[in-house]
Amino acid sequence: QKEVEQDPGPLSVPEGAIVSLNCTYSNSAFQYFMWYRQYSRKGPELLMYTYSSGNKEDGRFTAQVDKSSKYISLFIRDSQPSDSATYLCAMSGSSTLGRLYFGRGTQLTVWP
Amino acid sequence: DAGVIQSPRHEVTEMGQEVTLRCKPISGHDYLFWYRQTMMRGLELLIYFNNNVPIDDSGMPEDRFSAKMPNASFSTLKIQPSEPRDSAVYFCASSLGKLAGGPDEQFFGPGTRLTVL
Repeated sequence: QKEVEQDPGPLSVPEGAIVSLNCTYSNSAFQYFMWYRQYSRKGPELLMYTYSSGNKEDGRFTAQVDKSSKYISLFIRDSQPSDSATYLCAMSGSSTLGRLYFGRGTQLTVWP
Repeated sequence: DAGVIQSPRHEVTEMGQEVTLRCKPISGHDYLFWYRQTMMRGLELLIYFNNNVPIDDSGMPEDRFSAKMPNASFSTLKIQPSEPRDSAVYFCASSLGKLAGGPDEQFFGPGTRLTVL
């Protein structure tokens, strides 16, 4: 079993839709939960992160962490064609020695 | 800062040839990571270094792959001999490690797209 599981999609939605992206994990020592966004033919870039459980909002993006279920989510409100990208979840903790554990990434397309 | 620099951006080679990928991390970053990304397997960690010392190379697929970091500003990933199944995008990333109150954010280079014929 991989440390982090993420459905690769692809996911295709119309502009304005609410998008939900999810990951599950197995290591209860993870403390930082990140979402990276990767545009086509580019490297991933950090979009936002959450420490421990709870929600964090940044504009149209909301990250949620449920440590009891080992489940994290990223919600995108009022999705735009410019949100079309691959979204990768990533996790780390005090014991991970600088390493991030990535999900496979979910490919999202928002069509106008 | 120019960010993480990788070269070449594209590489096309024939099976059996040696391939060398290069990376210059962001100045001051203590960690350097090599990843491989394919549609089938996603983003895979191959090896990473802390202060130029390899920490974990368990992701290196086999002995044909080797990586070095002779100094804090340069690293190479070598494949010898290359095979068609090595075709992928190879990313280098660097990080400061854990910042006080923050995550281990990694900064990725633009990647090298390798095609082995």
